Amino acid sequence: SQQGEEDPQALSIQEGENATMNCSYKTSINNLQWYRQNSGRGLVHLILIRSNEREKHSGRLRVTLDTSKKSSSLLITASRAADTASYFCATDAKTGFQKLVFGTGTRLLVSP
Amino acid sequence: GAGVSQSPRYKVAKRGQDVALRCDPISGHVSLFWYQQALGQGPEFLTYFQNEAQLDKSGLPSDRFFAERPEGSVSTLKIQRTQQEDSAVYLCASSQTGRPGELFFGEGSRLTVL
Repeated sequence: SQQGEEDPQALSIQEGENATMNCSYKTSINNLQWYRQNSGRGLVHLILIRSNEREKHSGRLRVTLDTSKKSSSLLITASRAADTASYFCATDAKTGFQKLVFGTGTRLLVSP
Repeated sequence: GAGVSQSPRYKVAKRGQDVALRCDPISGHVSLFWYQQALGQGPEFLTYFQNEAQLDKSGLPSDRFFAERPEGSVSTLKIQRTQQEDSAVYLCASSQTGRPGELFFGEGSRLTVL
């Protein structure tokens, strides 16, 4: 079963606009990660935020984490056509084996 | 190697055939994960190795699925008597430590069962 759910399932924007994706999860976590997947390819790690952090930046990416609401958001600023991909959040639960459990993903389309 | 390598990239099998999927992780990476990804879905956890020890196989869908990593490096996922519902992309990932920090993924093996 999948731990997280991303919202929206699909997002279509124009180049230069910002894209925001949300992730909700179910159990207490150690950290939350975001990954990107281009069509037909493997996943690429984007950013990791620990449970004691509230916000993190990396280039055009901004991630927030609200552990009280069990939710996270990924903001991509000034989007480019090359950002077109699926984006997944992944969590490792505080209890049990520390495996990464992925959400259902948001498909982002950035049009030139 | 430079990255995680998976083979074959594409595999077509007739229902009932056995298949073996190989994963060559980044050299020195302790942890190795197998995930199954259906079309349009997120990766679903199958199994996890720390070195040669299989510490979690709770995600394997049935006893037709078997994974091994005998020398703590290369891993093989074997599916016996394949069924149509086994059609998916099988992703392998490795990480440097025993804790699930950043995972490095291979390109995946796309299995189609006819």
